[in-house]
Amino acid sequence: GNSVTQMEGPVTLSEEAFLTINCTYTATGYPSLFWYVQYPGEGLQLLLKATKADDKGSNKGFEATYRKETTSFHLEKGSVQVSDSAVYFCALTTPWAGNNRKLIWGLGTSLAVNP
Amino acid sequence: GAVVSQHPSWVICKSGTSVKIECRSLDFQATTMFWYRQFPKQSLMLMATSNEGSKATYEQGVEKDKFLINHASLTLSTLTVTSAHPEDSSFYICSAREEVYDEQFFGPGTRLTVL
Repeated sequence: GNSVTQMEGPVTLSEEAFLTINCTYTATGYPSLFWYVQYPGEGLQLLLKATKADDKGSNKGFEATYRKETTSFHLEKGSVQVSDSAVYFCALTTPWAGNNRKLIWGLGTSLAVNP
Repeated sequence: GAVVSQHPSWVICKSGTSVKIECRSLDFQATTMFWYRQFPKQSLMLMATSNEGSKATYEQGVEKDKFLINHASLTLSTLTVTSAHPEDSSFYICSAREEVYDEQFFGPGTRLTVL
C-alpha cells in the first residue's frame, strides 16, 4: 500500500543552520507529494507541493524535489529562523483515486530553532 | 488561501455525553471534507471522508456509530462523538478540499477532553 516514512525528531538547530528533513514514500504510479507545517497553536498549512517527477516545490525559503528514482521528497532550507520552529509533515496523495483520494501522512518531525 | 473554521476550539464534557464539532469552509464550497484525529506528538489519523449529500466513508477501525458524520451542505460538516469516554479525548481536525486548486485546507482543530 501507499505509505510515507519521515525522519524522526525532534530536530534542534541554531538559527541560520541548514535544515534537511528526510521523507521517502511507497506508492504505485505517480503520487503527488506535499509538505505541511503546523506552527504551535495553529492549524496545518500547506508549505509546498510537487505533482510530478523532478518538480521542485518551494515556499518561504523551503525547497523539496520530487525524486522518482529514490522515491524521496526531502525538505531543505538553507538558513532556518526561530520562526520556523514547528512540526513538519510529509504526505502524499494518489490523484487517480478520484474524489476519494486522501492524504497519506508521515509521522511528523518537530523542529526547534534556537536563537 | 481558503479558510476553514472549526467550532468549538476546545470542549470539556462528562463521560457518557455527546459532543458535536462543526467544520465550515468559509469562502469556498467543499464537496469533500475529511475528519482526522491527532494524538500528542503523533501524526494525523484519518477517521473518515465526508461527502456532501451522501454517507461518510469511514476508515478501518473507526466506529461509525460512535463518530457520526453529517455533511449537510457544501460548507458544513459535523462530527458528533456519541457517548464519549475518556479514551475519546484527543485533538480533532477537519479539512475541506477546494476543487479548483485540488488542495485541502485545514481547520485549527478542536481539543476534546472527556472527564
